Amino acid sequence: DIQMTQSPSSVSASVGDRVTITCRASQDISSWLIWYQQKPGKAPKPLIYSTIGLRSGVPSRFSGSGSGADFTLTISNLQPEDSATYSCQQAKSFPLTFGGGTKVEIK
Amino acid sequence: QLQLQESGPGLVRPSETLSLTCTVSGDSISSGDYDWGWIRQPPGKRLEWIANIYYSGSTNNNPSLKNRFAISVDTSKNQFSLSLSSVTAADTAVYYCGRYSTSIGWFDPWGQGTLVTVSS
Repeated sequence: DIQMTQSPSSVSASVGDRVTITCRASQDISSWLIWYQQKPGKAPKPLIYSTIGLRSGVPSRFSGSGSGADFTLTISNLQPEDSATYSCQQAKSFPLTFGGGTKVEIK
Repeated sequence: QLQLQESGPGLVRPSETLSLTCTVSGDSISSGDYDWGWIRQPPGKRLEWIANIYYSGSTNNNPSLKNRFAISVDTSKNQFSLSLSSVTAADTAVYYCGRYSTSIGWFDPWGQGTLVTVSS
């Protein structure tokens, strides 16, 4: 199985800040990387597909980058509604696997 | 508007079988454009993919669950289901169903999730 490791596990930042979350795969997954946003008590919502593709309706302050085994989700100009847990998922091969999540808090 | 809704018991006793159903509205499982899947999230832990099924009945499964589960589809009811046998406290989780795009590799959308607690 492909293991997905996220860092940091949590981050606290102010409105307007830039936040960067890292996801590392245990092997090359090319660009098969998904990012989800999950708010407490709610189901995850996809934000980004194929490492860099922005889902329709997702604000442009969210962006993804990377390839191979190292990936990044960046939130520019952090907004209060961005307070959530962000998880990565590899879609390279079954079984599909998820990262442990990064909780983003607003100071 | 596409919606998925999980249903099933909120409490299951240890060693029994958990059965959940996902009802799809706003899209036809039989369209063949997507797979349909189950994901769970134990309290405070990461998401865990369980299995996907295609309308024809073909599946992809997570071997970590050691064949304790079965996934099925009922196209006449536009539903798919999950059963998990010999449950233990470790199976306590929020269970989600979702539509899976094989071309993108994501679940979109997800059901709201249902909490299943395994306890005597």
